[in-house]
Amino acid sequence: RKEVEQDPGPFNVPEGATVAFNCTYSNSASQSFFWYRQDCRKEPKLLMSVYSSGNEDGRFTAQLNRASQYISLLIRDSKLSDSATYLCVVKNTNAGKSTFGDGTTLTVKP
Amino acid sequence: GAGVSQSPSNKVTEKGKDVELRCDPISGHTALYWYRQSLGQGLEFLIYFQGNSAPDKSGLPSDRFSAERTGGSVSTLTIQRTQQEDSAVYLCASSLGLAGDQYFGPGTRLTVT
Repeated sequence: RKEVEQDPGPFNVPEGATVAFNCTYSNSASQSFFWYRQDCRKEPKLLMSVYSSGNEDGRFTAQLNRASQYISLLIRDSKLSDSATYLCVVKNTNAGKSTFGDGTTLTVKP
Repeated sequence: GAGVSQSPSNKVTEKGKDVELRCDPISGHTALYWYRQSLGQGLEFLIYFQGNSAPDKSGLPSDRFSAERTGGSVSTLTIQRTQQEDSAVYLCASSLGLAGDQYFGPGTRLTVT
C-alpha cells in the first residue's frame, strides 16, 4: 500500500461545477499537509497548506481529518484554468521528508 | 525575487555515461530537496539537505546516485553509469527550514539513450 493514496481520476467536469478530491495517508506521525498543483510538463506549485481546522482560499477549501488520516480539496465554481493534476503531500516535519501522492487529474470543460 | 533554478533544462546522454545536475535554491533557504518524476508518475523523494546536518539519503535508488551541497547553497546531483531507467525529470525544491513551504525549480529532463 502506498503511503499517500489519491484517486487518479481523471475528473472531467463542466465549468462552474464543484469538484472534490480525496487523499488518505498511512503514516500517523505525519504533521504537515499540503495540496500542490502541477500543470502538464511543469513543476509542482504550492496551492495551499492544510490545517486541522480546515482552511479556505477563494474557491478552494482544504480539510484534514487526523483521526481518519484523510485530506480533501474542494474546488467551487470550476474554471477552465483549474485543469491540472492536484498532488496531495504529507510531511513528517521532524524527519524533513515529504511524500507525494501520484496526483488526481482534473479537466474542466466549457 | 529569484526562484529555484536548475540546469541544464534538458540532458540527453548515452547509457553508461555520468551526468551532473545542478540546483540553485532560493537565497536564504536552508533546506534543499531532490525528487525524481518518471513520465505519468508521482514524485519520488531522493535526498534532502538541511543546513549543516547530514543529508537524508534514504531515497537514493542506488549507489550510482550521489548529491552534494556546497556552502549551504548550490547542490549537484550526480548519476554515474547512467541506465535507461534513470530517464525522468529531476526536480529540486527548497524551503525555509524543514517546516517551510517547498518551492520547486523547473526540473531537468534527463533522457538516457
